[in-house]
Amino acid sequence: DVKVTQSSRYLVKRTGEKVFLECVQDMDHENMFWYRQDPGLGLRLIYFSYDVKMKEKGDIPEGYSVSREKKERFSLILESASTNQTSMYLCASTRVTEAFFGQGTRLTVV
Amino acid sequence: SQQGEEDPQALSIQEGENATMNCSYKTSINNLQWYRQNSGRGLVHLILIRSNEREKHSGRLRVTLDTSKKSSSLLITASRAADTASYFCATAVSGTYKYIFGTGTRLKVLA
Repeated sequence: DVKVTQSSRYLVKRTGEKVFLECVQDMDHENMFWYRQDPGLGLRLIYFSYDVKMKEKGDIPEGYSVSREKKERFSLILESASTNQTSMYLCASTRVTEAFFGQGTRLTVV
Repeated sequence: SQQGEEDPQALSIQEGENATMNCSYKTSINNLQWYRQNSGRGLVHLILIRSNEREKHSGRLRVTLDTSKKSSSLLITASRAADTASYFCATAVSGTYKYIFGTGTRLKVLA
């Protein structure tokens, strides 16, 4: 059974903190993605990675960075968390015809 | 932004009725997919239609694709209360590794 696991379901952080969101997949997929989901805006692509150490910006990369040191792990980093980064964050890994999602991390920045 | 849009944003129907939701996208695509999201959870893949296909069926789902209009529709027939969820279209953008999702349709099926 395929699996994408995000490290936390709920997270509360303070403004200015450095935040790490971790995502691990067990399907040996090359491509991994980070999205954020906000009401009425759907899923917006933050960053994606098509290979180890390779990354590309999505539509809304500002305030975020990513790390992919191993094929199975893709980390999203909020360098200095701000309240406008309060959101649901979804990680996905893909093969050609399908994306597999983690359960999501609901991040609140106070 | 390359993000697509879905229409309607929200839909409320009675159990047994059909639900139709539409998706428009902006880029050239290899395929288009539909996903379902139960409240507060990750998305689950429902069905894929390739860019050279016009219609596809899977159980109670029917998907159409019109590449000239850059649009797709998802029909759920004989809806059930358990179909209550948000539905998203996603496009695999030609020449890239990107998956771009639409804004979603919130479907509520009343028992």
